[in-house]
Amino acid sequence: GENVEQHPSTLSVQEGDSAVIKCTYSDSASNYFPWYKQELGKRPQLIIDIRSNVGEKKDQRIAVTLNKTAKHFSLHITETQPEDSAVYFCAASIMDYKLSFGAGTTVTVRA
Amino acid sequence: DTGVSQDPRHKITKRGQNVTFRCDPISEHNRLYWYRQTLGQGPEFLTYFQNEAQLEKSRLLSDRFSAERPKGSFSTLEIQRTEQGDSAMYLCASSSTSGRPPGELFFGEGSRLTVL
Repeated sequence: GENVEQHPSTLSVQEGDSAVIKCTYSDSASNYFPWYKQELGKRPQLIIDIRSNVGEKKDQRIAVTLNKTAKHFSLHITETQPEDSAVYFCAASIMDYKLSFGAGTTVTVRA
Repeated sequence: DTGVSQDPRHKITKRGQNVTFRCDPISEHNRLYWYRQTLGQGPEFLTYFQNEAQLEKSRLLSDRFSAERPKGSFSTLEIQRTEQGDSAMYLCASSSTSGRPPGELFFGEGSRLTVL
């Protein structure tokens, strides 16, 4: 089955700086790569996703890049704000179901 | 609130007891998923329904676990003879095959199980 590894496990950044989280996946057939944000005690929520037919996608301060050859994808958050503090999960799947999640990255934005 | 709802939110039980969780998905969603999340880990896939049909079960789902979605609407997850290792957050999610974007999972708040 699919195995997704995520790094780093914790990330502390100064407000206004950028944050980068990296994930690798094992199954070359995976074609859908979403990122979820989970605030303490809350449900995971989709923040951005990318499909294997594109290499980069951006939504305001958030961007995701995908390198299918190397089987890795990354989340970039620019101009971080305190409300960006949360746990971020990457995931990979084939055909939009049965997501395999990474272990998560706890992001702390220092004011 | 038209999101995914789960009940109960918290359940404390003694080892060996049976527990049942209920999930009400977003009404127009035809796919429903159960995931398990332990502290410091990402959600792990347990099982998935399309309408009322259970299409896939993870190897993580032992014989003590059973899930149903009898009318293609709400779903239940039952754990029989609970063990301490079953303690976790059980997350339900739903999606639509015709959604925008297709495949986006909407999660519930989860049902936290503590087995003493």
